[in-house]
Amino acid sequence: TVMTQSPATLSVSPGERVTLSCRASQIISSDLAWYQQKPGQAPRLLIYGASTRATGIPARFSGSGSGTEFTLTISSLQSEDFAVYYCQQYNSWPPLTFGGGTKVEIK
Amino acid sequence: EVQLVESGGGLVQPGGSLRLSCAASGFTFSTYGMNWVRQAPGKGLEWVSGIGGSGGNRYYADSVKGRFTISRDNSKNILYLQMNNLRAEDTAIYYCAKASRGGYSGYDLYYFDYWGQGTLVTVSS
Repeated sequence: TVMTQSPATLSVSPGERVTLSCRASQIISSDLAWYQQKPGQAPRLLIYGASTRATGIPARFSGSGSGTEFTLTISSLQSEDFAVYYCQQYNSWPPLTFGGGTKVEIK
Repeated sequence: EVQLVESGGGLVQPGGSLRLSCAASGFTFSTYGMNWVRQAPGKGLEWVSGIGGSGGNRYYADSVKGRFTISRDNSKNILYLQMNNLRAEDTAIYYCAKASRGGYSGYDLYYFDYWGQGTLVTVSS
């Protein structure tokens, strides 16, 4: 299953609402996770089951979608949210597959 | 507290071998599938290999099949990745990652709730 994320880069000002997209090449139900990765750090789980926040993840992060189209929304971007975001499907494996990532940078 | 600590990375020549280790603590290791995910410099995440809790089920990406072997020692809570015939394109940070659910082979490859800090493998002459 090929995962495609868009856009590749998003330039945003703090406080803005951000929407990231992830598309699967075939139906994956809601078996989708989102991760955040900051420079020099390992990825951190944000969302699983397409819409369930992981432990300790702030409510400003939300996920939606099912089937082949998914979105990650950050309601009001904070300074610590500038990072690269990856989606990953776990419906059909092997292999597990990740999207190419969306970099959220400061405008 | 769950901890995953990788080791074993380094510089190796093309065609060489390396064994990575991931020491796990803070959870019942034998219950969960464990995986290796890599990230080439400046690139995205690529799943490499996974193994079921008992070690009986092993899975590989096509890019490493026949060259890499995943294994685990549940008595020591350690995950391994034996990498042979290494190529320049294997240069990456290698992360070990814990499957979020366990106790069933259908969760061997799943989403990952904990990741190690990574170990860098550089393949170059």
